[in-house]
Amino acid sequence: EVQLVESGGGKVQPGRSLRLSCAASGFTFDEYAMHWVRQAPGKALEWVAGISWTSGSTGYADSVKGRFTISRDNAESSLFLQMNSLRAEDTALYYCAKDRRHSLTYGMDVWGQGTTVTVSS
Amino acid sequence: QSALTQPASVSGSPGQSITISCTGTDSDVGGYNYISWYQQHPGQAPKLMIYDVRNRPSGVSNRFSGSKSGYTASLTISGLQAVDEADYYCISYSTSTTPAVFGGGTKLTVL
Repeated sequence: EVQLVESGGGKVQPGRSLRLSCAASGFTFDEYAMHWVRQAPGKALEWVAGISWTSGSTGYADSVKGRFTISRDNAESSLFLQMNSLRAEDTALYYCAKDRRHSLTYGMDVWGQGTTVTVSS
Repeated sequence: QSALTQPASVSGSPGQSITISCTGTDSDVGGYNYISWYQQHPGQAPKLMIYDVRNRPSGVSNRFSGSKSGYTASLTISGLQAVDEADYYCISYSTSTTPAVFGGGTKLTVL
């Protein structure tokens, strides 16, 4: 079964850091680009970051550039999102998603169930 | 980076067809074909319905179709069914400072 399982969410104070993980199974992880997408409560989807199959290409939303870092470990079939200098507006459900191709084309055909990040003092 | 523009809501009766628009600029929708559409039911993860403007993943009903004209992409759902009631989002590759941007979402109500 093709599956993505996110972990690492929680409640954190503003200015602190958090690292999200996404464990992939059921497909050849190292053949596909991967993404993080978030959704604040009651709000629209927001693309956060993406990484190509070999990590040769990465991209970030303006709202997280310089604070968040996406990475992957193909040997462990895992995707990560290092989130630093967290702000209240980063509070959201964070989804891990698989691209249909090697590169970032934003056709995300497999999604996890998400992990919740709450930034609050 | 501004979100792509979608209508906040659309509605239709069972059996009818509806179209959801997604308007951008020449830096995104108007200039590239990496445009996808997602369906999201309450409390669930999004589901890919259309990729590369008009292609359907396997398993997605052929009642769903995508197109593009100029700066506007469109998702059409024909033979509307109650199960289609959901939020729909478009996303496009962009050459602006953010590589990809979602639309604001459209709530589809089946009357």
